[in-house]
Amino acid sequence: KQEVTQIPAALSVPEGENLVLNCSFTDSAIYNLQWFRQDPGKGLTSLLLIQSSQREQTSGRLNASLDKSSGRSTLYIAASQPGDSATYLCAAHLSGTYKYIFGTGTRLKVLA
Amino acid sequence: GAGVSQSPSNKVTEKGKDVELRCDPISGHTALYWYRQSLGQGLEFLIYFQGNSAPDKSGLPSDRFSAERTGGSVSTLTIQRTQQEDSAVYLCASSLEDVNYGYTFGSGTRLTVV
Repeated sequence: KQEVTQIPAALSVPEGENLVLNCSFTDSAIYNLQWFRQDPGKGLTSLLLIQSSQREQTSGRLNASLDKSSGRSTLYIAASQPGDSATYLCAAHLSGTYKYIFGTGTRLKVLA
Repeated sequence: GAGVSQSPSNKVTEKGKDVELRCDPISGHTALYWYRQSLGQGLEFLIYFQGNSAPDKSGLPSDRFSAERTGGSVSTLTIQRTQQEDSAVYLCASSLEDVNYGYTFGSGTRLTVV
């Protein structure tokens, strides 16, 4: 059974810091992995989608990497800003299924 | 439409009543998914549609829950005889063909059963 774990559960950093959020999954047979952001009381916003054949994806100050063999993905946020404060979720699409398995998220607070 | 639209955004209902939640996916997206997010919990898969058929209903928690999709577009999730444990945010997502293209989520419906 695919399990997705995110560490840390919560993180508080001063503005301007570079930070790394971690995601691990137990079954390496995945089609892709997607990172989302969720603001309080809102739905999920897609940040980055990494296919299993890719090693990383970049969008602005965000960079996500994928290492299938070790069952890990990281989301790197450069020069963090208070507007980055949100919960970040990773989700793994297990091969042969129709759905994503979600981690429980990292709650990030960037202090001004 | 430009995004995934869900209605209502908030719903308060009395225990025992039936509720209907609506999802309007992005135009042209053939795949549609329902998830549930309970307080302090992760996202729980409910059901997957490809066109009008539902190849995977494995996540529906009980026979009080049902969903349909008509015209390959709008989907309705129905909860009969609501219970307090049904209180959660119900999220809908759509995808171009299948999950290989990633999900786009709606803003969700917050259901509170009192």
